[in-house]
Amino acid sequence: AAGVIQSPRHLIKEKRETATLKCYPISRHDTVYWYQQGPGQDPQFLISFYEKMQSDKGSIPDRFSAQQFSDYHSELNMSSLELGDSALYFCASSAAFSYEQYFGPGTRLTVT
Amino acid sequence: SQELEQSPQSLIVQEGKNLTINCTSSKTLYGLYWYKQKYGEGLIFLMMLQKGGEEKSHEKITAKLDEKKQQSSLHITASQPSHAGIYLCGADTGGYNKLIFGAGTRLAVHP
Repeated sequence: AAGVIQSPRHLIKEKRETATLKCYPISRHDTVYWYQQGPGQDPQFLISFYEKMQSDKGSIPDRFSAQQFSDYHSELNMSSLELGDSALYFCASSAAFSYEQYFGPGTRLTVT
Repeated sequence: SQELEQSPQSLIVQEGKNLTINCTSSKTLYGLYWYKQKYGEGLIFLMMLQKGGEEKSHEKITAKLDEKKQQSSLHITASQPSHAGIYLCGADTGGYNKLIFGAGTRLAVHP
């Protein structure tokens, strides 16, 4: 079975630009989570969605927004990018009534 | 996260040796996850534990969650070079499946 798909895999942006990261969960998974992993750090929870509604929020900057669409894919929109936003961004998904979170391969964002 | 401590930070073992990685939480665990990560790559799901005393195995990897649900151990039997990587424990301490992660354990297995 296909795993979580993230696109793009790599992204290079300049400061103050915007970026959109996409996540396609595993089939029949209705919950999506976004995590940010800075260089040499552990992943930090950003935000999650269940059935297209935001279910929880972590340390997500106000410059970032996200949503989940009717087909359950999710997008993370990042504006006014800063150098400190350079990181690996992971999306994970889980199925209803199951807590097992499966992670995608990540999008490596580099802000120059 | 300071709420979740992993030990050791790094581990170098000879192929064929057994090893154990520990993960200790300052809070009650609603769910404890073990992942493996190759540098700069995605997190590979290994297993998840929820019940106190629960133990799960997959191939040569066994994970346990203690009765008080605040500590977990990951044990690898007869390690192989393919086991090398970074092992991360992730924990749901709030019941909403929002995970916090330990700092990771870097494992190297020498032939």
